[in-house]
Amino acid sequence: GQNIDQPTEMTATEGAIVQINCTYQTSGFNGLFWYQQHAGEAPTFLSYNVLDGLEEKGRFSSFLSRSKGYSYLLLKELQMKDSASYLCALTMFSGGYNKLIFGAGTRLAVHP
Amino acid sequence: GAVVSQHPSWVICKSGTSVKIECRSLDFQATTMFWYRQFPKQSLMLMATSNEGSKATYEQGVEKDKFLINHASLTLSTLTVTSAHPEDSSFYICSARSLGTSGPTTYEQYFGPGTRLTVT
Repeated sequence: GQNIDQPTEMTATEGAIVQINCTYQTSGFNGLFWYQQHAGEAPTFLSYNVLDGLEEKGRFSSFLSRSKGYSYLLLKELQMKDSASYLCALTMFSGGYNKLIFGAGTRLAVHP
Repeated sequence: GAVVSQHPSWVICKSGTSVKIECRSLDFQATTMFWYRQFPKQSLMLMATSNEGSKATYEQGVEKDKFLINHASLTLSTLTVTSAHPEDSSFYICSARSLGTSGPTTYEQYFGPGTRLTVT
């Protein structure tokens, strides 16, 4: 089985930096994704980590520690449009397929 | 590239009727397609995984006779909600994985825009 934990809600100020944590327990780990989802829309890909370390992509960075079962998504220079849910998702091999299993998501509210 | 479409984007149906949702990969061939369901303020729950030409694999707790999945080609999968009830009202999202991809995002899935189903 697998277990993915992330905070339910976070708030931050425009222009600031926010870190969204994700801890997990799983077998058959094949990588960790972060997705952004605005209300009523499908998730959009942000980042993918399969090796330990930091992956940077513009204002967004994602970190992974496989030994600790821990990842975080770092958002810099926050903008109002960054208000959304951020989903941590594991890729795991199960039942003959590589599946993407999502955490409950963290709703981020950015205010002026 | 890597665009996935869903049709319809929203549908309202009466209790007891069946609804079919289509998921198409527009510019790539998808070996595997996934169907998710999302209730308000909750995360995506994987319902089933389908490979072209074979039977879908359903997650625990998902009724295969109620949620019929057909993956007829490398670009089309359909989900039919049979005898829909109000509790089936949800946001249904499909995703597709590209054939022959390699590299760090081999496992990346491309999501469709979702279908909002309301059963009255």
